[in-house]
Amino acid sequence: QSVLTQPPSVSGAPGQRVTIFCTGSSSNIGAPYDVHWYQQFPGAAPKLLIFGNHNRPSGVPDRFSGSKSGTSASLAITGLQAEDEADYYCQSYDTSLSAVVFGGGTKVTVL
Amino acid sequence: QVHLLQSGGEVKKPGASVKVSCKASGYTFIVYYIHWVRQAPGQGLEWVGRINPNDGGTVFAQKFQGRVSMTRDTSIDTVYMELTTLRSDDTAIYYCTRGATYSRENDFWGQGTLVTVSS
Repeated sequence: QSVLTQPPSVSGAPGQRVTIFCTGSSSNIGAPYDVHWYQQFPGAAPKLLIFGNHNRPSGVPDRFSGSKSGTSASLAITGLQAEDEADYYCQSYDTSLSAVVFGGGTKVTVL
Repeated sequence: QVHLLQSGGEVKKPGASVKVSCKASGYTFIVYYIHWVRQAPGQGLEWVGRINPNDGGTVFAQKFQGRVSMTRDTSIDTVYMELTTLRSDDTAIYYCTRGATYSRENDFWGQGTLVTVSS
């Protein structure tokens, strides 16, 4: 059972918008600690996608955006493309556990 | 360019220990924490712990305390993670990853090391 809760899967047609929610608590996202998002393809290491709730590293398309409110965060992918099919993980820090915590991951399927 | 190069895969028997290395290059080694994150087959990401290469200070996830240690060798910019008393559910890919502090993002990741625990 992950400390941060994500839906196991989301799907959308090419060009559509999908949103992945990450729900935490007052000891992590609401503490408030920043939320970071990672993209992972099969057989590859995770790649940083969004940091500090809404910032994109260099090279990440602006189709990806992040936001945070209260004890939850979200990752939106607009203009969904076939190449976006991957697993996505949210991450934060939990002050009660004194540990980095991850969501369980969300598989994005492009229909 | 920043690069984290991990040691190769390992096959261990239950009860044994494994030591995985992570060699950093392309940045000042002591400025960034190194975290270890593992991923069991078909499962999500799980934080194991972190080390501050500057002073060697470590923090571990509660479930690994007593079984894990992390050390560093600043002469060769390398961090080591050792996990003892291995069980079959320790079978996973272990990643080292760089973070500016204990709560900041992990911006660079190693390629991963598969540790297989099997009798």
